[in-house]
Amino acid sequence: GAGVSQSPSNKVTEKGKDVELRCDPISGHTALYWYRQSLGQGLEFLIYFQGNSAPDKSGLPSDRFSAERTGGSVSTLTIQRTQQEDSAVYLCASSLGFLVKSTNEKLFFGSGTQLSVL
Amino acid sequence: TQLLEQSPQFLSIQEGENLTVYCNSSSVFSSLQWYRQEPGEGPVLLVTVVTGGEVKKLKRLTFQFGDARKDSSLHITAAQPGDTGLYLCAGIRSNDYKLSFGAGTTVTVRA
Repeated sequence: GAGVSQSPSNKVTEKGKDVELRCDPISGHTALYWYRQSLGQGLEFLIYFQGNSAPDKSGLPSDRFSAERTGGSVSTLTIQRTQQEDSAVYLCASSLGFLVKSTNEKLFFGSGTQLSVL
Repeated sequence: TQLLEQSPQFLSIQEGENLTVYCNSSSVFSSLQWYRQEPGEGPVLLVTVVTGGEVKKLKRLTFQFGDARKDSSLHITAAQPGDTGLYLCAGIRSNDYKLSFGAGTTVTVRA
């Protein structure tokens, strides 16, 4: 597609349920990033994919969070046993190349998934 | 503690006035980017600055990167209601692979 697509745009779930958030990056973009944005806060880095591999998962808040990327394209962020503090906007971004190699890389963001845990 | 500190957190001005948003850190960055985010949307890149002391202009917006590459500012001249939004600075440090974001400055321009 023309831009980064995220689904669903809104998700309301009950505490303790599992949720899956999906990200379709721009075609051909090799790098993919997940960030979390809480109300009034900046973007908190979660995980980064270089192709299908995630060099560093240390940004994930707890072991309830996991992410994968298949075929160098679609990525899924899974939150197990959701808690109320997981409520936030989850943003996905992609870039053509890797920031570590070129500081002029541009990140293109999706519109995010608003997650509300009741 | 955030790697990048933005100030002010909120800014409300009248159309036609000027404003400046600051982004400061104790760390050195290889480059620094500014984004604007509107409600319900993801951030959109405005500019990237890479050289200490660099000044870039984008119509009524002027971006400056500090000489020591630890800070940056965004100045808007003759603000318009269309400039309303959340402005985020983000930096990447040498040999890092991710952008670190500031908490953002919410700018409201009243007509």
